[in-house]
Amino acid sequence: AQRVTQPEKLLSVFKGAPVELKCNYSYSGSPELFWYVQYSRQRLQLLLRHISRESIKGFTADLNKGETSFHLKKPFAQEEDSAMYYCALGLGGTSYGKLTFGQGTILTVHP
Amino acid sequence: GAVVSQHPSWVICKSGTSVKIECRSLDFQATTMFWYRQFPKQSLMLMATSNEGSKATYEQGVEKDKFLINHASLTLSTLTVTSAHPEDSSFYICSGKGLGFHEQFFGPGTRLTVL
Repeated sequence: AQRVTQPEKLLSVFKGAPVELKCNYSYSGSPELFWYVQYSRQRLQLLLRHISRESIKGFTADLNKGETSFHLKKPFAQEEDSAMYYCALGLGGTSYGKLTFGQGTILTVHP
Repeated sequence: GAVVSQHPSWVICKSGTSVKIECRSLDFQATTMFWYRQFPKQSLMLMATSNEGSKATYEQGVEKDKFLINHASLTLSTLTVTSAHPEDSSFYICSGKGLGFHEQFFGPGTRLTVL
């Protein structure tokens, strides 16, 4: 069965410091990985997906199939980055479109 | 981005009653809608997937007679929690995905409290 692991439940950094949120997955099929963000009192929204290889709000993530990882990185954290971040795995085949979420990491950026 | 709404945003009910939660795609046609459950400070757990006009597909361990899902139109899906009990108290989130879309758009969620 597929699984997404975010080992850090809480992550605190100071403004301007680099930040990396870890995500590992296990899936027998071809993975499609996403990062979703949920700001305080707001709905879940897509931050980025590995296929598009975009950089959103300064965040990047590279899919490493050898290490089955999709870590989220930002070189200089900002206070407004404080939020809950979820890594998600999109399934293929007959389960196309379904998402399996990690446990989430609460990022706090201190001034 | 596309917008998904949910109604109500919160509901309190007595044990044994049924509660209906609506999920609407406001500016796109959601050919597929997903229903998730989220426990406090925990991840989202997919409950079921519904395609417009078809019966919902439930994930393992989710009681289909307990959580009735209807997706009668391309803009509306409903989740009915039947004979609710305190253990059904949770945050229920829906999402919609249109044909050709690569992402799901999430609703704001509904907080259900069963007394």
